[in-house]
Amino acid sequence: GAGVSQTPSNKVTEKGKYVELRCDPISGHTALYWYRQSLGQGPEFLIYFQGTGAADDSGLPNDRFFAVRPEGSVSTLKIQRTERGDSAVYLCASSSGTGTDTQYFGPGTRLTVL
Amino acid sequence: KQEVTQIPAALSVPEGENLVLNCSFTDSAIYNLQWFRQDPGKGLTSLLLIQSSQREQTSGRLNASLDKSSGRSTLYIAASQPGDSATYLCAVGGSARQLTFGSGTQLTVLP
Repeated sequence: GAGVSQTPSNKVTEKGKYVELRCDPISGHTALYWYRQSLGQGPEFLIYFQGTGAADDSGLPNDRFFAVRPEGSVSTLKIQRTERGDSAVYLCASSSGTGTDTQYFGPGTRLTVL
Repeated sequence: KQEVTQIPAALSVPEGENLVLNCSFTDSAIYNLQWFRQDPGKGLTSLLLIQSSQREQTSGRLNASLDKSSGRSTLYIAASQPGDSATYLCAVGGSARQLTFGSGTQLTVLP
């Protein structure tokens, strides 16, 4: 079956602009996660959804970052007033939310803020 | 706050060797531990997941062990192949389900 997909694969924007990053999880997965990965580092947790609600948003760096999952499937990560330091690969993962709870990752969106 | 460390940061071995990648974590109150593989410019591929109640998991040439009391996990790769070349990431799952990652070990298997 289809895995986790993310669009766009690459996004270049200018400092101060608004961007939206989309994640389509594996069908039927109730849990969805956003992570951010900088060059040479492991991914860092941003936010976790269980269904439609954000169960844990403690990793969001500041109030410029916001994520939604209105129907409990697709999620959008929104970044306002982008800064050069926001440049990174944004990874989305999903899991069944039960059992072994293995997280399956998408290919990521590479965001570059000029 | 959970911290995850992976040693070594980079490793180069000739084809056919058996090798061990190390992962240590500071808080033993974990939910699970997952090993991933990441190829350049790609996302993460899950290799093995060990629940907190388990000691090891095996898949093909891969074996992962977990020692919660000492805060350590190892990933053993048998008979390494050039196609195993990638970055290997260790991630610890807490009760809140989020994963805390190490910085990875970049493995190069030379033909």
